[in-house]
Amino acid sequence: AQSVSQHNHHVILSEAASLELGCNYSYGGTVNLFWYVQYPGQHLQLLLKYFSGDPLVKGIKGFEAEFIKSKFSFNLRKPSVQWSDTAEYFCAVNARTGGFKTIFGAGTRLFVKA
Amino acid sequence: KAGVTQTPRYLIKTRGQQVTLSCSPISGHRSVSWYQQTPGQGLQFLFEYFSETQRNKGNFPGRFSGRQFSNSRSEMNVSTLELGDSALYLCASIRTSGSPGELFFGEGSRLTVL
Repeated sequence: AQSVSQHNHHVILSEAASLELGCNYSYGGTVNLFWYVQYPGQHLQLLLKYFSGDPLVKGIKGFEAEFIKSKFSFNLRKPSVQWSDTAEYFCAVNARTGGFKTIFGAGTRLFVKA
Repeated sequence: KAGVTQTPRYLIKTRGQQVTLSCSPISGHRSVSWYQQTPGQGLQFLFEYFSETQRNKGNFPGRFSGRQFSNSRSEMNVSTLELGDSALYLCASIRTSGSPGELFFGEGSRLTVL
């Protein structure tokens, strides 16, 4: 069965600090990988996605993520965070067989101090 | 395109009652998933439907059920409500081509069980 583990549940950073959120998944087959973000008072939305090709993918608002197949990881990064990045971030995995069952990690709450 | 519409947005029930939640996906999307979101638990997968067929089911008791209609609208039902069913229930409309598996979320239905 698929599972997703996010390493940090709460992260507090100052503006301009660098961000890295860890995500590891457990699944033996081919997967699609996603990061979703939920800003305060808003619905979940896609931040970035990986299907195939270049393992370094870029998303909205300067975020990027790197897929390391050997480590079953898909870590999210941003070189310099802003106050507006305060949100909850979810890593998600979708196996490519048997439909579109997408499993989410528990989420990481990021608070950026101005 | 219009987004995902979930109704009702908020509802309060008492233990033992049953509830039905509705979801209208993005026009042209034939697949939907349902999730239960609670603080600290992240998003727990309930079920996934494609063209009126349930393709995947999460680890929830049989009190949780769902269905999808020919117009792709979906409903989920929870019978014999328990206090622990209080949560935000999210419906996701699923892109099945282009970026297959990408989820588009609604605002959710917040259920409180007293």
